[in-house]
Amino acid sequence: GENVEQHPSTLSVQEGDSAVIKCTYSDSASNYFPWYKQELGKRPQLIIDIRSNVGEKKDQRIAVTLNKTAKHFSLHITETQPEDSAVYFCAATPGNSGGYQKVTFGIGTKLQVIP
Amino acid sequence: DSGVTQTPKHLITATGQRVTLRCSPRSGDLSVYWYQQSLDQGLQFLIQYYNGEERAKGNILERFSAQQFPDLHSELNLSSLELGDSALYFCASSIGTSGSTDTQYFGPGTRLTVL
Repeated sequence: GENVEQHPSTLSVQEGDSAVIKCTYSDSASNYFPWYKQELGKRPQLIIDIRSNVGEKKDQRIAVTLNKTAKHFSLHITETQPEDSAVYFCAATPGNSGGYQKVTFGIGTKLQVIP
Repeated sequence: DSGVTQTPKHLITATGQRVTLRCSPRSGDLSVYWYQQSLDQGLQFLIQYYNGEERAKGNILERFSAQQFPDLHSELNLSSLELGDSALYFCASSIGTSGSTDTQYFGPGTRLTVL
């Protein structure tokens, strides 16, 4: 099955700096890669996603890049703010099979933005 | 608010007992997913239902079972509970028709404490 590795497990940055979280996946059939942000005690919320036919996607201060050949994808947060502090999860989903969707999540990265 | 609802919000029970967690998906979503998140752990995929049928199984114990009803709500049944079953249980839903590129939206979770 799919295996998703995520690093670092913890990340501290100064407010205003950039943060980068990296994930690798094992199943070359994976074609959808969402990123979720989870604040303490709350639900995971989708913040950005990328599909395998796209190399990069941006949404304001957040960007995701995908390298299909190397099987890795990364989350980039620029101009970090204290409210960006949370746990971030990457995920990968293997190819379509009649409504079947088994999502494999990374272990999560705890991001702390220091004011 | 993602539109996915879960009840109850909190559940405290004793070892050996059985509980039922309930999830209502977003309006129009056909797929429901269940996840377990233990303290400081990542999201473990348990099971997926699509339009009433089981579609994918993850690391779900034999003591656990789930079903999706004709009105598309889902229930996760946990029996012979052990201390290690204490966790946050999330339900997520997606449209389901586009297969593996579906975006999942998470409910607020049910916090289960087994004493």
